[in-house]
Amino acid sequence: GNSVTQMEGPVTLSEEAFLTINCTYTATGYPSLFWYVQYPGEGLQLLLKATKADDKGSNKGFEATYRKETTSFHLEKGSVQVSDSAVYFCALAGDSGGSNYKLTFGKGTLLTVNP
Amino acid sequence: NAGVMQNPRHLVRRRGQEARLRCSPMKGHSHVYWYRQLPEEGLKFMVYLQKENIIDESGMPKERFSAEFPKEGPSILRIQQVVRGDSAAYFCASSPPGEDTQYFGPGTRLTVL
Repeated sequence: GNSVTQMEGPVTLSEEAFLTINCTYTATGYPSLFWYVQYPGEGLQLLLKATKADDKGSNKGFEATYRKETTSFHLEKGSVQVSDSAVYFCALAGDSGGSNYKLTFGKGTLLTVNP
Repeated sequence: NAGVMQNPRHLVRRRGQEARLRCSPMKGHSHVYWYRQLPEEGLKFMVYLQKENIIDESGMPKERFSAEFPKEGPSILRIQQVVRGDSAAYFCASSPPGEDTQYFGPGTRLTVL
């Protein structure tokens, strides 16, 4: 079945450092890919998405490119802020049965940014 | 446009009691999804509902769990005779027809004593 693997945390960075959180997936077909962010004590917020190969999703300085050849959707940000501290989840829409509504999530990566 | 609403935000139950979790989707969204997040895990799909219909409940435990989305009112996730292993965060999401982006509520954190 479909699966998502993302780099394990926690990740600790200093403010203004470069961020990469790796995400790879296994899926049948061409699923949509997402990054969600969860701030402490809150629900998930959609950060960005991409629906087809070579699409780049971007929001709030974060970017991720849908790479079909490497089945990856790595999250990047050029200069992180303390307010970016959160848990980041990579997800894809769909399962092996063709149900496009099922989101399959990675385990999440905790990011802590120190001033 | 208000976001997805869930209540209560925190729920404490003793083993054997019933837990009832509510979810009001965003305005114009007729599709509701429930996910469960165990500690230090990603979210796992439980059930997908449209108004008055269960479309896919393949992620729901076979016993004690049920979900509904009536014509009027919020979607309800019901857990009967709770056990400690049911302690988790339960998230509801909604989407409009034809869109694969799901918008999540703040979650209900269930603790079973």
